[in-house]
Parts: sequence; C-alpha cells; structure tokens
Amino acid sequence: NAGVTQTPKFRILKIGQSMTLQCTQDMNHNYMYWYRQDPGMGLKLIYYSVGAGITDKGEVPNGYNVSRSTTEDFPLRLELAAPSQTSVYFCASSYDSFVTGGGRTDTQYFGPGTRLTVL
Amino acid sequence: RKEVEQDPGPFNVPEGATVAFNCTYSNSASQSFFWYRQDCRKEPKLLMSVYSSGNEDGRFTAQLNRASQYISLLIRDSKLSDSATYLCVVNIGRGGKLIFGQGTELSVKP
Repeated sequence: NAGVTQTPKFRILKIGQSMTLQCTQDMNHNYMYWYRQDPGMGLKLIYYSVGAGITDKGEVPNGYNVSRSTTEDFPLRLELAAPSQTSVYFCASSYDSFVTGGGRTDTQYFGPGTRLTVL
Repeated sequence: RKEVEQDPGPFNVPEGATVAFNCTYSNSASQSFFWYRQDCRKEPKLLMSVYSSGNEDGRFTAQLNRASQYISLLIRDSKLSDSATYLCVVNIGRGGKLIFGQGTELSVKP
C-alpha cells in the first residue's frame, strides 16, 4: 500500500511550457485534492474531486486544469507556465469528507509533493 | 481578514518546555478543525482532530472555542523531535475543502 504518490519530485519549466503533475492513490479514496504551498505560507486548494468524472474549483484554480477519469488518478495540468506558479504542489486524498454534527472529517493523506520552478 | 490565522513564529523553546499555539478562524459555519504537522520540505500529516469538548493525545492537547472561533494546541514536555511547522486547519463543509493557516514554526533546542 503506497498511499499517495506524486511524480515528478522536481521539475524546472520555462515560461510558456506545459506539463502534467501526476497523482495516484491506492487506498480507494473517493475524494482527491490538489494544493499549492508557497514559501512561508499555508496550503491553498487548487482543485478537488469527489469521485471519478467530477471535479470542482478550489481557492486558486486559474492557470490549472484537472481531470478524474479513474478513482486512483488525479492529474494536474499546467498549460502555460508562469513564474507565479513556482511552488510546491501537494496531492491529497480522503475516503469521504462528510461531516455530521461537527464530527470528524476523514483524514486527508498527502503525497510527498512536487517542487516546480518556472523560469 | 484571513480565513484561518495563526500565531506568527517562530517559537524557539528549550527541551521540556510547554508551548501553546493559537489559531482563529473567520467562518462561523466551519465544521471540523485539525492540527497538522509539517516537517521541513515534507508533506503535512494529521496530528490531531479538535473536538468541541477538547481532546488530548499524550503530550498534546487541543481545544476549540466555537463562540470565540478559536483553536489552540498545547504541547507539554517538548522534545527535539517536536520541531516542525504546525498548521491549523478548518473544514467549512462537505466537499472536504480544508482551509490552512500559514503555519507556526516550532524549534525545540537542547
């Protein structure tokens, strides 16, 4: 059981290039998320998915696209890389996120991150 | 106003010290609350959930005050291995959308 895996670990892009960040989970989780973390800052949600075929925008979706064709995979696409997209990208997953009466939300499990630099 | 705001760090404490982190959140509809720990250049990991009645896990105690929209984390008898950044996290509803604070760095010195 590998949990959440991300590839690549590091990448340097030139302005205007495109790339796909891969994320795979083997825990049969319904929910998957993409976050970015800038230096000294908390994580910001880019996109999330509640199941195969369903995606929705988070807090900072501009410049990114996602798809969810299977339960396991949730790739993040950057079409025209910009220096402002230099960041660490974390993928996460959880079985469910339903909250009942203030009860606990299922834990989100994070991948190891992809460090992206756009020059 | 930020949705989740934490004490600015860093906190530098000696081993054995007790340290408290504070966090406030702005959305009164927030439903779940957590503390995550993040080691340098690593992914965040859940430290503990925070319940209305307060909860304890070994040396760690979390408290929630819904009226004041305030969350706290107390670490007793600090260890060198507690050195990390502590993230206050709030879930505002179904969909699992977590809002992260900016984090408070803790450095425990011998």
